[in-house]
Amino acid sequence: KQEVTQIPAALSVPEGENLVLNCSFTDSAIYNLQWFRQDPGKGLTSLLLIQSSQREQTSGRLNASLDKSSGRSTLYIAASQPGDSATYLCAVRPEGQNFVFGPGTRLSVLP
Amino acid sequence: DADVTQTPRNRITKTGKRIMLECSQTKGHDRMYWYRQDPGLGLRLIYYSFDVKDINKGEISDGYSVSRQAQAKFSLSLESAIPNQTALYFCATSDDGTGGFRAYEQFFGPGTRLTVL
Repeated sequence: KQEVTQIPAALSVPEGENLVLNCSFTDSAIYNLQWFRQDPGKGLTSLLLIQSSQREQTSGRLNASLDKSSGRSTLYIAASQPGDSATYLCAVRPEGQNFVFGPGTRLSVLP
Repeated sequence: DADVTQTPRNRITKTGKRIMLECSQTKGHDRMYWYRQDPGLGLRLIYYSFDVKDINKGEISDGYSVSRQAQAKFSLSLESAIPNQTALYFCATSDDGTGGFRAYEQFFGPGTRLTVL
């Protein structure tokens, strides 16, 4: 059974720092991986989707990488801003199955 | 307008009551999903539907039922609500894998906060 973990569970950084959020999964037979942002009590906003054939995806200050063989993905946020404060979730889609979600990393960017 | 909408946004009900949560989408996707989110447990899949006639149980379907009224509408019912069904409920959609590099990308509604007293 696919399991997804995210480290750290919570992170607090000063504004302007570059930071990395980690996502690990136990079974490398995945179809794709999706990163989401969730503000408190709100829905999930899709940030980046990486197919298994891709190594990375970029959107603005966000860059997500995927290393299937090692079961890892990282979300890099450049020049963090207070508006980036949210919970970030990764979700892995095993081949032929539905997405499995990680527990999330709660990010606080301090002004 | 939002692509995936959910009603109601908040609901407080009592133990034993029947309640329905509704989801509508304008993305034209065939696949729709219902999740619940609990603190510390992440998102868990309740039911999913690949088209109007294809409905499947997810990880935690006990105590829930669903209805796919049309391609754009997917409802979740709690037949007899109990307090441990208090949670944040999300509807999501995705394509059927034909979206190229966007295949299976999931899009979520704003959620329904349900409290069962």
